[in-house]
Amino acid sequence: GDSVTQMEGPVTLSEEAFLTINCTYTATGYPSLFWYVQYPGEGLQLLLKATKADDKGSNKGFEATYRKETTSFHLEKGSVQVSDSAVYFCALSDTPGGGADGLTFGKGTHLIIQP
Amino acid sequence: DVKVTQSSRYLVKRTGEKVFLECVQDMDHENMFWYRQDPGLGLRLIYFSYDVKMKEKGDIPEGYSVSREKKERFSLILESASTNQTSMYLCASSPGQGKTQYFGPGTRLLVL
Repeated sequence: GDSVTQMEGPVTLSEEAFLTINCTYTATGYPSLFWYVQYPGEGLQLLLKATKADDKGSNKGFEATYRKETTSFHLEKGSVQVSDSAVYFCALSDTPGGGADGLTFGKGTHLIIQP
Repeated sequence: DVKVTQSSRYLVKRTGEKVFLECVQDMDHENMFWYRQDPGLGLRLIYFSYDVKMKEKGDIPEGYSVSREKKERFSLILESASTNQTSMYLCASSPGQGKTQYFGPGTRLLVL
């Protein structure tokens, strides 16, 4: 079955540091890939997505590139801020057939940014 | 903006009680989903629905049922709550397969 593996935290960085959160996946088809973010006490929000190989998703300074050859979708940001402290989830949607489907999530990475 | 609302943010119930969690979306989305979120396990799919009165089991449907009588509303039912169902429950909707899912704020359920 499908699966998503991401580095487990917590990951603690200083403000303005470079961020990488690794994500790799296994899927039977050609999945769409997503990064969701969950701020304290809130539901999940879509951060960015990519639907095919070599696509780059970007939003709020975050980027991730869909790498089919390494089955990866690593999240990066050049200079993090305290407000980026949250839990980040990598997810995939694999729809080889019709109908609805749920997302397969990684376990989440708790990111803590210190001033 | 897509809005997904859940009936309660926090809920405390006793073992054996029947529990209803309600979810409403306002964007005429076809698909709706229920997940539970647990520390160290991430999000796991309980049930989903791709049309009114249609439902499909997700990865962990045991102990749960769902109802979708109207397109905008998707209910999760715990027939007889147990302590191992203490969790954060997240509802989501999407306009179609493989499309972005939009999440509600979550309901934190405590079963005593």
